[in-house]
Amino acid sequence: KAGVTQTPRYLIKTRGQQVTLSCSPISGHRSVSWYQQTPGQGLQFLFEYFSETQRNKGNFPGRFSGRQFSNSRSEMNVSTLELGDSALYLCASRGGYGAETQYFGPGTRLLVL
Amino acid sequence: DAKTTQPNSMESNEEEPVHLPCNHSTISGTDYIHWYRQLPSQGPEYVIHGLTSNVNNRMASLAIAEDRKSSTLILHRATLRDAAVYYCILSQGGSEKLVFGKGTKLTVNP
Repeated sequence: KAGVTQTPRYLIKTRGQQVTLSCSPISGHRSVSWYQQTPGQGLQFLFEYFSETQRNKGNFPGRFSGRQFSNSRSEMNVSTLELGDSALYLCASRGGYGAETQYFGPGTRLLVL
Repeated sequence: DAKTTQPNSMESNEEEPVHLPCNHSTISGTDYIHWYRQLPSQGPEYVIHGLTSNVNNRMASLAIAEDRKSSTLILHRATLRDAAVYYCILSQGGSEKLVFGKGTKLTVNP
């Protein structure tokens, strides 16, 4: 099976812009989670989607949003970008809601100038 | 979220066993112990998980203390490709999110 794929892999934006990141889970997986990784805060949970519904949300401002499509692909959007949003954004999928193992993609590295 | 404590860094020599410790004194009865690792410039990778009994797979072994307040990830023969940050995470079965700590950065010397 192909692994989790994320596009784009690298992105440069300027403050105030918005960005959309995409994640394709492993075939057959219906749950997708998003994480942000920065040197200062480490890996932090953003949100999880299962069957197109957001099931859980981390402690991030409303500028961070996401959605999931019927084919389980997911997108996350960050509006009004700030310098502090520069990070590696990771997507993870798992087979079902509550399945224990998550499989991570390679991430999208976002730089905000 | 229950917390774990790991050493910031450890070193090992190639082809020697590595024991990575993790303390989780506030673990609850339904918490699973998960280990993930993150190689440079990659996303985290699942290594192993367990509840009460020791577990083995092709990558590693997980030894869980009888009181479950600590665990040890064992790499039987470290290779240069095992150099990574190793995360010990507690997660209840069915929990949606993983709460990552700082992890242990493992350096493997040739």
